[in-house]
Amino acid sequence: NAGVTQTPKFQVLKTGQSMTLQCAQDMNHNSMYWYRQDPGMGLRLIYYSASEGTTDKGEVPNGYNVSRLNKREFSLRLESAAPSQTSVYFCASAARRATNEKLFFGSGTQLSVL
Amino acid sequence: AQSVTQLDSQVPVFEEAPVELRCNYSSSVSVYLFWYVQYPNQGLQLLLKYLSGSTLVKGINGFEAEFNKSQTSFHLRKPSVHISDTAEYFCAVSDTGFQKLVFGTGTRLLVSP
Repeated sequence: NAGVTQTPKFQVLKTGQSMTLQCAQDMNHNSMYWYRQDPGMGLRLIYYSASEGTTDKGEVPNGYNVSRLNKREFSLRLESAAPSQTSVYFCASAARRATNEKLFFGSGTQLSVL
Repeated sequence: AQSVTQLDSQVPVFEEAPVELRCNYSSSVSVYLFWYVQYPNQGLQLLLKYLSGSTLVKGINGFEAEFNKSQTSFHLRKPSVHISDTAEYFCAVSDTGFQKLVFGTGTRLLVSP
């Protein structure tokens, strides 16, 4: 049972570099989400996709872009990484709406921007 | 907009003792409420949720929470904790019409022998 798979698990970038965090789920879920987790701040929503073909901004979208490539995959791109983007990133999915259904989380990507 | 406050950043407790993790929310409309748990180096897992009905909600691993609308609270309780309950616990709230959950800042539960 793979569930939600995130790659890579760890990444170190230099300021200004770009990278894409990959996320795939095998549960046929409609909704997918990207969160970042910072000490003392809990989880904050970056972007979400309520269904294939749609994406919307969350609480902290600046500096990020997303692509819902198909129903399974939802990628997060940092075009020009900044030290403020050092964080742990979690991808999550839900069958329909996270507001009344269980969110399934990946194991996270620890990103450091130097 | 909704918000969640978890007043305790860390709660130390001895094994087999009871524990309560506090969560207060603010919202002008009806809400759904959740507790998630994060074990070290893992993603979050759903413990329990309140959507409607009985205000006492039972979850996995012996946890329960009570929805109190008048006090806008959703505190998490367990009558006897185990070492394996050591984790970070997040309260979350959503507007019943929204796609998005708003998470609290988390409470780290530290269970010692």
